[in-house]
Amino acid sequence: DAKTTQPPSMDCAEGRAANLPCNHSTISGNEYVYWYRQIHSQGPQYIIHGLKNNETNEMASLIITEDRKSSTLILPHATLRDTAVYYCIVRVDQGGKLIFGQGTELSVKP
Amino acid sequence: GAVVSQHPSRVICKSGTSVKIECRSLDFQATTMFWYRQFPKQSLMLMATSNEGSKATYEQGVEKDKFLINHASLTLSTLTVTSAHPEDSSFYICSAAGTGGFGYGYTFGSGTRLTVV
Repeated sequence: DAKTTQPPSMDCAEGRAANLPCNHSTISGNEYVYWYRQIHSQGPQYIIHGLKNNETNEMASLIITEDRKSSTLILPHATLRDTAVYYCIVRVDQGGKLIFGQGTELSVKP
Repeated sequence: GAVVSQHPSRVICKSGTSVKIECRSLDFQATTMFWYRQFPKQSLMLMATSNEGSKATYEQGVEKDKFLINHASLTLSTLTVTSAHPEDSSFYICSAAGTGGFGYGYTFGSGTRLTVV
């Protein structure tokens, strides 16, 4: 079973920041938080991952709480092309299976 | 970046026939590949994990004799759906992990839409 909980759906206005929450209260010390997204009828795309520090790349920012029991993915300026299902996954860094939960369906609206 | 090519992108076959799906890592050596299945409006479900040169490890409930996985080289894994039936119609996706090329996440193929009629 997936070890994360996400809201099933969210809406965001184009140009605004999209903040997608994820709960992972049973995360282990050696498990990272990964975020992927899947645009309709395509394979998932890697976005970002982190262990305990906040991370930022060209796509998004990842904020992990100090107790590591939850995190937030931030898309700073959402566009219509960011409409997708976003998956939060926890796993050990090297190797290990990616087990997908239900994800959050993000709809970016004009 | 790391690229995984999956072929075909969509296939229609008759009930009772077999279908082979290929997954290739184009610019890295994939020591491990994963196969997923996704039904409409549902999340990805892991079917099996394959390591190059070894037998695949199947998830509970996945029939290994029906879904044959071969990972004979570091750049190619295949999934064969044998004696396909309409209930096997689904979106099949592969994912590859390897040495070098990337140290984070796994790279996914673009998926294969299988329709059994």
